[in-house]
Amino acid sequence: DAKTTQPPSMDCAEGRAANLPCNHSTISGNEYVYWYRQIHSQGPQYIIHGLKNNETNEMASLIITEDRKSSTLILPHATLRDTAVYYCIVPNQTNFGNEKLTFGTGTRLTIIP
Amino acid sequence: GAVVSQHPSRVICKSGTSVKIECRSLDFQATTMFWYRQFPKQSLMLMATSNEGSKATYEQGVEKDKFLINHASLTLSTLTVTSAHPEDSSFYICSARDDGSLSFHSYTFGSGTRLTVV
Repeated sequence: DAKTTQPPSMDCAEGRAANLPCNHSTISGNEYVYWYRQIHSQGPQYIIHGLKNNETNEMASLIITEDRKSSTLILPHATLRDTAVYYCIVPNQTNFGNEKLTFGTGTRLTIIP
Repeated sequence: GAVVSQHPSRVICKSGTSVKIECRSLDFQATTMFWYRQFPKQSLMLMATSNEGSKATYEQGVEKDKFLINHASLTLSTLTVTSAHPEDSSFYICSARDDGSLSFHSYTFGSGTRLTVV
């Protein structure tokens, strides 16, 4: 998998936008960036994915730099329920059928009331 | 959206016994499923890739005879922890990859199984 680097922890005030960065400088041209989050003692939850263009869904926005070497996940109006560990993952897609998700250490986001 | 059901959510077993964990994709087919293990305050560690109708592929360092995986249908994979010991106590999580994915893969995770071996 392309290596990803994330800050170990971040705090964000409730109601503000949470911006979570991720570096993936070794990403290949056809590899997607996935974001998942894990709330304590639960399975990971899919948030969003992207290839080249910025993406937005009901949960978040994903901004990918033009060179694709980094991305930022944006939670526009953070709530206390967004407190979780956020994982940025770039699975190796050189062999599409054997792709798998491996998790790094992620960013522990704490939303502060 | 896609749902993966994992059962049981919690299990306590005696040392030396075996425990089976089930992972079902409820509304999609999954030729490929994955099993992870997570220790407290650590990230998820991939244990094995489960393929329907064939042998599972284990990650380096994971004992295949201890963690038996069966993927007999397109919607069900099971993980059996054999002869469990206290050090096997962990949070086990499965994931299923949607066969309907085209250009990118859609992965859905179960809610996890907390195994405690006493």
